Amino acid sequence: GAVVSQHPSRVICKSGTSVKIECRSLDFQATTMFWYRQFPKKSLMLMATSNEGSKATYEQGVEKDKFLINHASLTLSTLTVTSAHPEDSSFYICRGEREGGNEQFFGPGTRLTVL
Amino acid sequence: AQSVTQPDIHITVSEGASLELRCNYSYGATPYLFWYVQSPGQGLQLLLKYFSGDTLVQGIKGFEAEFKRSQSSFNLRKPSVHWSDAAEYFCAVGATSYDKVIFGPGTSLSVIP
Repeated sequence: GAVVSQHPSRVICKSGTSVKIECRSLDFQATTMFWYRQFPKKSLMLMATSNEGSKATYEQGVEKDKFLINHASLTLSTLTVTSAHPEDSSFYICRGEREGGNEQFFGPGTRLTVL
Repeated sequence: AQSVTQPDIHITVSEGASLELRCNYSYGATPYLFWYVQSPGQGLQLLLKYFSGDTLVQGIKGFEAEFKRSQSSFNLRKPSVHWSDAAEYFCAVGATSYDKVIFGPGTSLSVIP
């Protein structure tokens, strides 16, 4: 089956720093990547949709200048949390859609802790 | 507006007992419906999905779900629960199988040996 990886799996950073999370589709080309955020013991909240080579579409209430999403290739999308604050601590999960297909594959998630 | 509700926040069952997790949705058209499982600290795994056809859908790990249009429900069932089924279960709805997917709040399942 198709695999989506995320790196890092866990990251701890100081308040005010920026953190980059990578989402890679390992054996398929993902034209679209979705980024979700999950608070502890809560459901997943869709943050944004990114399409390869174009700007991401952000959901209402998500700060695009804080959560920078880049989808530079068909196998890589990145989420950068800029000037991180403790309230940005969360579990971030990406989902890739196979090019030309109708399947979705979730990454294992990245746990971000901002001190 | 699209929404998904899972009335049960937490359910505890004994190993070997049957299980039913409830899911209700609100959607303008016929949606794609999904059930996902998330083990502690892990990503999500798709258990099953439904769009059309037979309203009883078979999934992985012995799970099944039944779509009832009249009740706007898509409940997940398993006849005999195993200890390894303890996890968080999410019902979700989307316009297609690969578009934006809206998740329900989740039901946490505990299994008593």
